[in-house]
Amino acid sequence: QFVLTQPPSVSGAPGQTVTISCTGSSSNTGAGYDVHWYQQVPGTAPKLVIYRNSNRPSGVPDRFSGSKSGTSASLAITGLHTEDEADYYCQSYDSRLSSSVFGGGTKLTVL
Amino acid sequence: QVQLQESGPGLVKPSETLSLNCTVSDDAIAGDYYWSWIRQPPGKGLEWIASISHSRSTYYNPTLKNRPTISIDTTKNQVSLRLRSVTAADTAIYFCARRSRVPASWFDPWGQGTLVTVSS
Repeated sequence: QFVLTQPPSVSGAPGQTVTISCTGSSSNTGAGYDVHWYQQVPGTAPKLVIYRNSNRPSGVPDRFSGSKSGTSASLAITGLHTEDEADYYCQSYDSRLSSSVFGGGTKLTVL
Repeated sequence: QVQLQESGPGLVKPSETLSLNCTVSDDAIAGDYYWSWIRQPPGKGLEWIASISHSRSTYYNPTLKNRPTISIDTTKNQVSLRLRSVTAADTAIYFCARRSRVPASWFDPWGQGTLVTVSS
């Protein structure tokens, strides 16, 4: 259903590192369009944590990092904190749909 | 930091038209940005609906089949969304957000969102 594919869930213990993947196709991520990442704590609006594949907005801890290669992108969170528990969404642009597109979201559980 | 606030009726009947407003703070609406609507059905993912610039250039999600209309009123600092012929599948939290001129860019910031339920 979603143009960008994310794993439904990931988990990690405090202090560990987790990685969330986002896979697209030749009309979006594979066409060179940037990937952006959002954190959404339940009951709140999404918050931008990574833009243009690997850039952090002001105020986002450097524990958050992003990368992109080919049709796939990844969000890594190192040194997990309990407050990192949230849903994470990737977003890009699809030239075939002429639309901004999102992944289905990944629920991060901090054990 | 610009702030966005969505408003509108929380309940709409099937087949009717959903109407929402997004008020943008500090006269920022006249800036070189696109103002967007994005929705999220309860417990599900995000879907981009439409974007508009201060000069009224518009983009729409083609999967919504010409049902949405986005408009802007710079004198009121408001961006509006109308969605025709709603069904239960349109029940969602509706967010407004800012995007740069580039269609492939990110959305930031976002409003807090407003829940719209479609039910008779």
